[in-house]
Amino acid sequence: NAGVTQTPKFRVLKTGQSMTLLCAQDMNHEYMYWYRQDPGMGLRLIHYSVGEGTTAKGEVPDGYNVSRLKKQNFLLGLESAAPSQTSVYFCASSQHYPDSSNQPQHFGDGTRLSIL
Amino acid sequence: AQKITQTQPGMFVQEKEAVTLDCTYDTSDPSYGLFWYKQPSSGEMIFLIYQGSYDQQNATEGRYSLNFQKARKSANLVISASQLGDSAMYFCAMRESGGSYIPTFGRGTSLIVHP
Repeated sequence: NAGVTQTPKFRVLKTGQSMTLLCAQDMNHEYMYWYRQDPGMGLRLIHYSVGEGTTAKGEVPDGYNVSRLKKQNFLLGLESAAPSQTSVYFCASSQHYPDSSNQPQHFGDGTRLSIL
Repeated sequence: AQKITQTQPGMFVQEKEAVTLDCTYDTSDPSYGLFWYKQPSSGEMIFLIYQGSYDQQNATEGRYSLNFQKARKSANLVISASQLGDSAMYFCAMRESGGSYIPTFGRGTSLIVHP
């Protein structure tokens, strides 16, 4: 079972470069999320999507854009990478119906991104 | 204000002993879910256990149990008979039924199990 797949797993960028992180899920989940994880900060929500074609800002959206053109894919873009965006990025998905409150999130393995 | 608070940045436990990881939460929504996730050093996030706000009994999953005290707004994770493989980061999260259903995470507790 693939679950949630993130690509790439590692990436090193120079300041100012752009890149896109891809998240794909095969569980037909409505909700998808992008988090960043920094030491001592836990998981902070960047953007999320409640369905195909919809996205919304999370706690730390600045410097990132997202798109959800297909239900199974959620893309995270960095238009002009900055050293402050060095982090581990996690994608997650979750079921919405019939009751969202009891549905756990399924996470990808993470992308370790370094901005020099 | 933080909705999920994990006050223990790090915890140590002897192998085979039980350990409690604290989690307190803040919500005015009467319907919500509480989750615990484990993140070993390999990095993946693993769902452990769930507790619903209307559940009458504390949740249990193998060696994991949740000490749910609704009036105190606490949902502590109890790991019985600790194993070396339990060494990891543990995150508490809450998902409220009202609003956007977007989970909120605590900052995590690092657990180290000593042989």
